[in-house]
Amino acid sequence: NAGVTQTPKFQVLKTGQSMTLQCAQDMNHNSMYWYRQDPGMGLRLIYYSASEGTTDKGEVPNGYNVSRLNKREFSLRLESAAPSQTSVYFCASSDRLGQPQHFGDGTRLSIL
Amino acid sequence: AQTVTQSQPEMSVQEAETVTLSCTYDTSESDYYLFWYKQPPSRQMILVIRQEAYKQQNATENRFSVNFQKAAKSFSLKISDSQLGDAAMYFCAYRSFYSGGGADGLTFGKGTHLIIQP
Repeated sequence: NAGVTQTPKFQVLKTGQSMTLQCAQDMNHNSMYWYRQDPGMGLRLIYYSASEGTTDKGEVPNGYNVSRLNKREFSLRLESAAPSQTSVYFCASSDRLGQPQHFGDGTRLSIL
Repeated sequence: AQTVTQSQPEMSVQEAETVTLSCTYDTSESDYYLFWYKQPPSRQMILVIRQEAYKQQNATENRFSVNFQKAAKSFSLKISDSQLGDAAMYFCAYRSFYSGGGADGLTFGKGTHLIIQP
């Protein structure tokens, strides 16, 4: 039972490079989310998708784009990476509103 | 916008004792959900417990229980009979009852680092 799968687990980029983080869930959940976690901070919402074909900004969307490819997959793209985007990125999914979100194992991204 | 505050950056407890982690939140909504998540060094986010604001009864899950005080906007987590495996970061999180406008996501506190002394 895979749950939420994120790839890659680690990545190092140079400033200005682009990168797409992949996320897939096998729980048939409608909603999917991308968060970032910085040291000393809780997770902060970047973007979310309430259902296939829809996406909305969260608290910290600047510098990111997302694509809800289908019900299973939700990708996060950094078009021109900046050192301020060094963080751990988590993807999550949930079923009905109010149900707990299930998280992937995270991607540690370092931008030099 | 809602905010979640965890005022204890770090807590330490002896194995087998009881510890309480504090969480307060600010919201103008009357219906919402509250969660505690555990994050061990492996970095996984693991759901510990969930509370619906419209339920007066405090949620419990084995050794984990909450003290939900809606009027005070307080949601503390009590861990009984602490075990070495409980050592982790603990995050309190809020979710609106309503969807749309960014409300679907979780709002997290900054976390409490729990240390278990053997």
